[in-house]
Amino acid sequence: EAGVVQSPRYKIIEKKQPVAFWCNPISGHNTLYWYRQNLGQGPELLIRYENEEAVDDSQLPKDRFSAERLKGVDSTLKIQPAELGDSAVYLCASSLDSRVAGVTDTQYFGPGTRLTVL
Amino acid sequence: GENVEQHPSTLSVQEGDSAVIKCTYSDSASNYFPWYKQELGKRPQLIIDIRSNVGEKKDQRIAVTLNKTAKHFSLHITETQPEDSAVYFCAAPSDTGRRALTFGSGTRLQVQP
Repeated sequence: EAGVVQSPRYKIIEKKQPVAFWCNPISGHNTLYWYRQNLGQGPELLIRYENEEAVDDSQLPKDRFSAERLKGVDSTLKIQPAELGDSAVYLCASSLDSRVAGVTDTQYFGPGTRLTVL
Repeated sequence: GENVEQHPSTLSVQEGDSAVIKCTYSDSASNYFPWYKQELGKRPQLIIDIRSNVGEKKDQRIAVTLNKTAKHFSLHITETQPEDSAVYFCAAPSDTGRRALTFGSGTRLQVQP
């Protein structure tokens, strides 16, 4: 079974430029997450999708970040314009929704996109 | 919201020794506790998880224990090997519907051959 796929793996841009990251979750996984991982820290949630609906985006900096998950499969995370502090690894994860209230489903991570903003 | 604290931040052991990493959480309603291993430049990989209906779970050299009363859980690695060297993260459900995870700050484990 193929795992979560992300591209690109690395991206270097200058500040104020736009950037986009792409994620393809595990086949059949209806829940998709975007996390940001700063150097030496654990991942922090940016946004969570259930199918095509963003159900938790409270940590997404909406002035410059946007995300979409058309057709409830692949997802794109965009930053425009990028700032120096956006340098981090952007991780995508997916899980199969057990549809049981209060149950946290097992999450599987992609390899991440390492963003460097100069 | 959920707060997860992890310690130690770094741990160095001799090959063959045991390693223990501890995490505490704040939300008494949390019911799922995974551990992820992340090698340099790689994805976090789930190595073991435990749900709150059990107190201990084992998988070969890896075990996790859960103390719901004290709100802490621990990762135990026995007979450590150099390939166990990595950063380990614990996590607990975020309070927003319990679907996402709040991660600890990580423990860098170095196994000396």
